[in-house]
Amino acid sequence: NAGVTQTPKFQVLKTGQSMTLQCAQDMNHEYMSWYRQDPGMGLRLIHYSVGAGITDQGEVPNGYNVSRSTTEDFPLRLLSAAPSQTSVYFCASTTFGTSGVNEQFFGPGTRLTVL
Amino acid sequence: AQTVTQSQPEMSVQEAETVTLSCTYDTSESDYYLFWYKQPPSRQMILVIRQEAYKQQNATENRFSVNFQKAAKSFSLKISDSQLGDAAMYFCAYRTYFGNEKLTFGTGTRLTIIP
Repeated sequence: NAGVTQTPKFQVLKTGQSMTLQCAQDMNHEYMSWYRQDPGMGLRLIHYSVGAGITDQGEVPNGYNVSRSTTEDFPLRLLSAAPSQTSVYFCASTTFGTSGVNEQFFGPGTRLTVL
Repeated sequence: AQTVTQSQPEMSVQEAETVTLSCTYDTSESDYYLFWYKQPPSRQMILVIRQEAYKQQNATENRFSVNFQKAAKSFSLKISDSQLGDAAMYFCAYRTYFGNEKLTFGTGTRLTIIP
């Protein structure tokens, strides 16, 4: 049981390049999400998904796309990287329920630098 | 929209002493969850403690306890017998009660342990 895995751990891009940050979980969690962490701003929600085929925007979605074709995977795509997207990106997953507090499990993060 | 405020960017404490980290939040909801997460230099997000708003009793987890003041919308974390391994960024987070796993984070408090 690997939990939540993210690849790559580090990435450097040039402005305008595209790339995909990978996230996978093996806990059969319905809910998955992407956050970005910037200095002095905590973690902010980019996109989330409540199940395969269902995604929605979070607080800071501009410049990012997501899809959820399987329960296990939730990739985050940067279509045209900008320096403002330099950040640490975290993927998280949890069981989805209308009541009860379910722990969110976070991946180890990806540090992205856009030059 | 909910907001979470951590007014102490940095705190320090002598090893074996007690320290309290502050968190306030703003919400119009009556039922919700509150969390404290720890982020050590490894970047991994680790759940420290959680509180259900409908419970009057303050949550405790070993050396970690909270002071939850619902009317004041305050949720402080007390760390007793501080240890060197407690050095980390600590984030307060809010989650609505029904049907949504989205977390709203504060900006974090960096805790330093003085040997």
